[in-house]
Amino acid sequence: DVKVTQSSRYLVKRTGEKVFLECVQDMDHENMFWYRQDPGLGLRLIYFSYDVKMKEKGDIPEGYSVSREKKERFSLILESASTNQTSMYLCASARAGRSSPLHFGNGTRLTVT
Amino acid sequence: EDKVVQSPLSLVVHEGDTVTLNCSYEVTNFRSLLWYKQEKKAPTFLFMLTSSGIEKKSGRLSSILDKKELFSILNITATQTGDSAVYLCAGYRDTDKLIFGTGTRLQVFP
Repeated sequence: DVKVTQSSRYLVKRTGEKVFLECVQDMDHENMFWYRQDPGLGLRLIYFSYDVKMKEKGDIPEGYSVSREKKERFSLILESASTNQTSMYLCASARAGRSSPLHFGNGTRLTVT
Repeated sequence: EDKVVQSPLSLVVHEGDTVTLNCSYEVTNFRSLLWYKQEKKAPTFLFMLTSSGIEKKSGRLSSILDKKELFSILNITATQTGDSAVYLCAGYRDTDKLIFGTGTRLQVFP
């Protein structure tokens, strides 16, 4: 079974702090994704990556950056956290090129105060 | 703009009822449609539909895609309390980008 592990289940940060959300997958998947999930808005794609050191903006990249230095690890960075970034963050991975199902981590609920 | 719309937003039923969840989509370079079930944590994969008119089944769950009318339905027969969850529908744009709907919240009471 594919395992996607997010480093924290809950995080509380202050406005202006730099925040790192880590995600690791163990199935050698090429593609990795970061979504945020908000009530009434569903899952919205922040960034995705097709390969090491490659990244593409999703639909809502503002205020976020990502890093993919190793194939199995994809990090989401909030350079200066703001209260409107309070949300559930979901990481996912998938095989490349065949409309493969995404496999999700359990999510990180981030609260910015 | 790509969009996936699910209806109803929420549904409350009793155990044993049959439910139908709807998903319509407008997705550029559409490849396939996926259904997920989300309880407290990670969405878990249910079905992927690529061809029109071919029903996919897994136990009491089934789903079908209509590529002409741009919609899909997810049926759950003989519902159980364990079916209570948010059901997410998503369309693949090209082969690597999933566009999600906002979900249907299903509550099944004994």
